[in-house]
Amino acid sequence: QKEVEQDPGPLSVPEGAIVSLNCTYSNSAFQYFMWYRQYSRKGPELLMYTYSSGNKEDGRFTAQVDKSSKYISLFIRDSQPSDSATYLCATKRDSSYKLIFGSGTRLLVRP
Amino acid sequence: ETGVTQTPRHLVMGMTNKKSLKCEQHLGHNAMYWYKQSAKKPLELMFVYSLEERVENNSVPSRFSPECPNSSHLFLHLHTLQPEDSALYLCASSQASDRENSPLHFGNGTRLTVT
Repeated sequence: QKEVEQDPGPLSVPEGAIVSLNCTYSNSAFQYFMWYRQYSRKGPELLMYTYSSGNKEDGRFTAQVDKSSKYISLFIRDSQPSDSATYLCATKRDSSYKLIFGSGTRLLVRP
Repeated sequence: ETGVTQTPRHLVMGMTNKKSLKCEQHLGHNAMYWYKQSAKKPLELMFVYSLEERVENNSVPSRFSPECPNSSHLFLHLHTLQPEDSALYLCASSQASDRENSPLHFGNGTRLTVT
């Protein structure tokens, strides 16, 4: 079983839609949760960073962590064509250098 | 120059060549990382350096040899690679302390093709 599971997509939505991206993880010791966005031919760019359970909002983006079900989500409101990219979830244990990534979900927002 | 810079952006090498990838970070971080990204697979951690000391070596073949001369620079020396080593090699940095690490900041990678 992979430590972090993520549906590869692609996920295609019309402009303005609410997008929900999700990951599940297997290790209850994971404490830090991140979402990265990766455009084609670019490196991953940090979008959201949360510790433990709960919600965090930044503009059109909301990250949600449910540690009881080992489920992490990223919501994008009013999606734009410029949001078209691959979204990577990542997690790690406390005091660990090793960030465990999902394989990424490719999102396409149609104009 | 800001962020994490990687050179070259693209590299094609034969299996008998020796080449090096370079990474430089301008964020004042004290930890640097090499990750490998292959198509449809999660990013794989290769090496971690914290305060110029290697703290993680993730079962990487010896044909990959990292070097961290100072906290701003990181190299990955390559020799006698295999075609399956073709991938995007990403460098990242973070601020590491005794309690936790800050999130990773990535460069744009070197696209390596081994022929």
